[in-house]
Amino acid sequence: NAGVTQTPKFQVLKTGQSMTLQCAQDMNHEYMSWYRQDPGMGLRLIHYSVGAGITDQGEVPNGYNVSRSTTEDFPLRLLSAAPSQTSVYFCASSSSGTDNTEAFFGQGTRLTVV
Amino acid sequence: GENVEQHPSTLSVQEGDSAVIKCTYSDSASNYFPWYKQELGKRPQLIIDIRSNVGEKKDQRIAVTLNKTAKHFSLHITETQPEDSAVYFCAANGWGKFQFGAGTQVVVTP
Repeated sequence: NAGVTQTPKFQVLKTGQSMTLQCAQDMNHEYMSWYRQDPGMGLRLIHYSVGAGITDQGEVPNGYNVSRSTTEDFPLRLLSAAPSQTSVYFCASSSSGTDNTEAFFGQGTRLTVV
Repeated sequence: GENVEQHPSTLSVQEGDSAVIKCTYSDSASNYFPWYKQELGKRPQLIIDIRSNVGEKKDQRIAVTLNKTAKHFSLHITETQPEDSAVYFCAANGWGKFQFGAGTQVVVTP
């Protein structure tokens, strides 16, 4: 049981490049989400999903796309990287519904856009 | 949507003293309130949580209280130690969607 696996751990992109951050969980959680963490800003929700085939925007969705084709995987795509997207990104998963549980976080991706 | 406010943003305490962090939430449907600790360069880790049908929960030096009427919940750390130094986040969850507070940087000085 690996929990939430997030890759890569570090990434440097040039402005305008695209990339995909991978996130996978093996806990059969319905709910998955992506956050970005900037200094002094806490965790801001980018996109989330309540199950396979269902995604929705969070607080800061611009410049990012997601899809949820399986329960296990929830990749985050940066379409055209900008320096403002330099941040630490966390994927998280949890069960949902009336019996909520904690959010389990991946190890994080430190992304630098130059 | 849910809005979680967290105070203070920074907290400096002497080793052995207590630390208190307070959060308020806006969505009445929220029914689960976890607290996370994040050490530098690490992922957030759950330290304690409380559900809406409980007013208080304690785990060794850590306790959480919840006032549903006022939509307030608080984290209490007693007998602080240098290893308690970290960023602490509160969160509110209703039907799966988490909303996090902005975080509190706690510094425990020996």
